[in-house]
Amino acid sequence: DIQMTQSPSTLSASVGDRVTITCRASQSVSNSLAWYQQKPGKAPKLLIYKASSLGSGVPSRFSGSGSGTEFTLTISSLQPDDFATYYCKQYNNFMWTFGQGTKVEIK
Amino acid sequence: EVQLVESGGGLVEPGGSLRLSCAASGFTFSDVWLTWVRQAPGKGLECIARLKRETDGGTTDYAAPVKGRFSIARDDSKNTLYLQMNSLKTEDTAVYFCTTGLIAALGTILWGQGTLVTVSS
Repeated sequence: DIQMTQSPSTLSASVGDRVTITCRASQSVSNSLAWYQQKPGKAPKLLIYKASSLGSGVPSRFSGSGSGTEFTLTISSLQPDDFATYYCKQYNNFMWTFGQGTKVEIK
Repeated sequence: EVQLVESGGGLVEPGGSLRLSCAASGFTFSDVWLTWVRQAPGKGLECIARLKRETDGGTTDYAAPVKGRFSIARDDSKNTLYLQMNSLKTEDTAVYFCTTGLIAALGTILWGQGTLVTVSS
């Protein structure tokens, strides 16, 4: 199985900050990498697919980059609605695997 | 409306069975690969079962913790996905989500709202 490791696990930031979350895969997943945002009690929402493609309706302050084993999600200017938990997901293998999540908290 | 709606969750005793359903609308259900993902209380996301569309062979696969106990199936005539869960364990307690692969026409991946399964005596 491909293991996905996110860092940091928790991130404290202020509105307006630039935020970067990293996701590392235990082996290459090419660009088969997605990012999700999840709020308490809600389903995950797709932000990024194919490592850098913005999902439909997702604000342009979200961006993704990387390929192979190392990926980043960047929020260019953190907004109040962005405080949530973020997950990466590889789909290079038929069975998806997710990172453990990064909680973005208010500083 | 484009949506997935899960049902069938509830409280069940260890060793019991439950069948979850996921009703789809607003897109061509038969064209998509389908997945069940679960989230234990306070924990992360775990992909537990996947199912290809029939034209891709209808192949299935399962995560190790549920293999041999859970079964994923689809009825394209009813636009519905199922998860049959047998021999349930306390560690199966979680919110269960159904989800699609990327739907190119929508530019996104759809998720249901989730249904809670609690395994407890």
